[in-house]
Amino acid sequence: GAVVSQHPSRVICKSGTSVKIECRSLDFQATTMFWYRQFPKKSLMLMATSNEGSKATYEQGVEKDKFLINHASLTLSTLTVTSAHPEDSSFYICSALYRDPNEKLFFGSGTQLSVL
Amino acid sequence: QQPVQSPQAVILREGEDAVINCSSSKALYSVHWYRQKHGEAPVFLMILLKGGEQKGHEKISASFNEKKQQSSLYLTASQLSYSGTYFCGTEDNQGGKLIFGQGTELSVKP
Repeated sequence: GAVVSQHPSRVICKSGTSVKIECRSLDFQATTMFWYRQFPKKSLMLMATSNEGSKATYEQGVEKDKFLINHASLTLSTLTVTSAHPEDSSFYICSALYRDPNEKLFFGSGTQLSVL
Repeated sequence: QQPVQSPQAVILREGEDAVINCSSSKALYSVHWYRQKHGEAPVFLMILLKGGEQKGHEKISASFNEKKQQSSLYLTASQLSYSGTYFCGTEDNQGGKLIFGQGTELSVKP
């Protein structure tokens, strides 16, 4: 089956630094990827839709200058948490849309971000 | 708008059955079901596209009532491995943008 790779799986950083998370579709081209955020024992909250070659579409309440998304190729989307603060600590998960023949979403393994 | 799942939590003995419901206030294009274990990414269970469609995966099946904007996930003869949090994700049009319900925590005890 289709595989989505997400790195790193865990990152600890100091407050004020920036962290980049990568999401790769390994065996298919994904023109559309999605970024979710999940707090402990809570649901996955959609942050943004990442479109290859164009600007990401952010959900209401998500700061686009805080969470920079770049989808520069058909297999890679990155999420950069800029000037991270402790309240940014969370589990971040990407998913990639697989279209052939039917539409299906495949999730990365997630990134646990801890900001000290 | 976030779909509503019920129940929020359920505890089963091995071999018992359970139903998890997912309701939306909007017309839906599809419903997806996922199971997530603690600290792991969600794992895809199934997708339902048409009204009244029912799909099965081993002892886990689901239905989608397009008119009622509802889906139900059926777990029969539950196994210990079924424990986890189940999420429904809904699309109101084709494109992959899923909005997830709040989750249903399922615990299967021996």
